[in-house]
Formats: sequence, C-alpha cells, structure tokens
Amino acid sequence: KNEVEQSPQNLTAQEGEFITINCSYSVGISALHWLQQHPGGGIVSLFMLSSGKKKHGRLIATINIQEKHSSLHITASHPRDSAVYICAVRSEGNEKLTFGTGTRLTIIP
Amino acid sequence: EAQVTQNPRYLITVTGKKLTVTCSQNMNHEYMSWYRQDPGLGLRQIYYSMNVEVTDKGDVPEGYKVSRKEKRNFPLILESPSPNQTSLYFCASSLTLRRSPQHFGDGTRLSIL
Repeated sequence: KNEVEQSPQNLTAQEGEFITINCSYSVGISALHWLQQHPGGGIVSLFMLSSGKKKHGRLIATINIQEKHSSLHITASHPRDSAVYICAVRSEGNEKLTFGTGTRLTIIP
Repeated sequence: EAQVTQNPRYLITVTGKKLTVTCSQNMNHEYMSWYRQDPGLGLRQIYYSMNVEVTDKGDVPEGYKVSRKEKRNFPLILESPSPNQTSLYFCASSLTLRRSPQHFGDGTRLSIL
C-alpha cells in the first residue's frame, strides 16, 4: 500500500461544477502539499498545509490530521483548471517528500 | 524573476555516456531536491540537499550523484546512464525544509538509448 493515495485517479466534469479531489496518507506528517501539473509538464505549488484550511481564489485545501486525510476543492471549475493535481506529504522527522500518483482533471466547456 | 532553471530541457543520449543536468535557483533557497517522474509511479525523490555541502539520498538514488558546492546550484550527475533512467526529471527548491512551498524547474526529459 502506498503511503499516499489519491482519489479519483481521473475526473471529468462540466464547466462550473464543484470539484473535490481526495488525498489519504498512512504516516504522521509535518506538512502536506498540493501541486498542479499542466499538460506542458510544469509543476506549480498550490498549497502547503499542516492543519485546518487554506483558500486561494477558487481553490480551497483542507486537512484533517486525525483522519490523515486532505481534500482539494475547486469552485466554479473552468477548462483552464484541467491539469493533474498531485498530493505530497513530508513525514514527521523526515526530510523526504512522498507523492501520490496524481488525479487527472478534465473540465469540459 | 524568481525561478529554478534546469538545463538541458531535452536530451537523447546513449548508454554509458556520462551526463550532467544542471539546476540553478536565484532565490537563496536552502533546500534543493531532484525528482524523477514516471508514468504510473508519480514523482519520486532522487536526492536532496539541506544546504551547501549537505546532501542525502531520497527514495531512488541508485545510478545518480549530486553535489552542492554553492547554494544556488545542485547538478544531477549520471555517471553511466542506462535505459531505465529514461524519465522526466524535476529540480525543486524551497526557502526552508518544513515551512516553505517548493518551486519547481520546468523539467528535463531524458532518453537513454
């Protein structure tokens, strides 16, 4: 079992829909990252969380430390949100990052 | 402009021919790291560096070397590349290890024939 599991693997939605991507992990962590990778390949950091909730524009990230679970929400989704979204965790007492395999999101106009 | 710069962006080479992928950041970041990305496996960490002259292995270090002689540069060296090192490689940096987001380079697509 991977340390970091994302669901769903693939998600297709209509423009305007509310999107939720989930990330579960099995170890104690010091931080969780959400990343976005566009079809061209570049990777952008969206959020870094250690507790609670963060919001940036139409994106919201939450984390529940007790349940070892995080969600990334996109409100009023747009075709430009189409990308692969990657969850990564930094284990407690560890300098390494472990990544999920990503969720491929496609927003149809 | 704050950025992480990788070179080359694309490289096709042959088994056994030593190569270096350079990575440079202009943000005075302490932490730098190399990752490889393969279909179905996601991103995996190769090596990381907490600061100058401090490097450590990630999850898949076999066949790779790194050095951190200056804060801004963190080259990835393949002494004797093999076809299983064909992959998409990313360099990343962050101000600190635990409290800062990662900034990624644009990636290097490496093909070893």
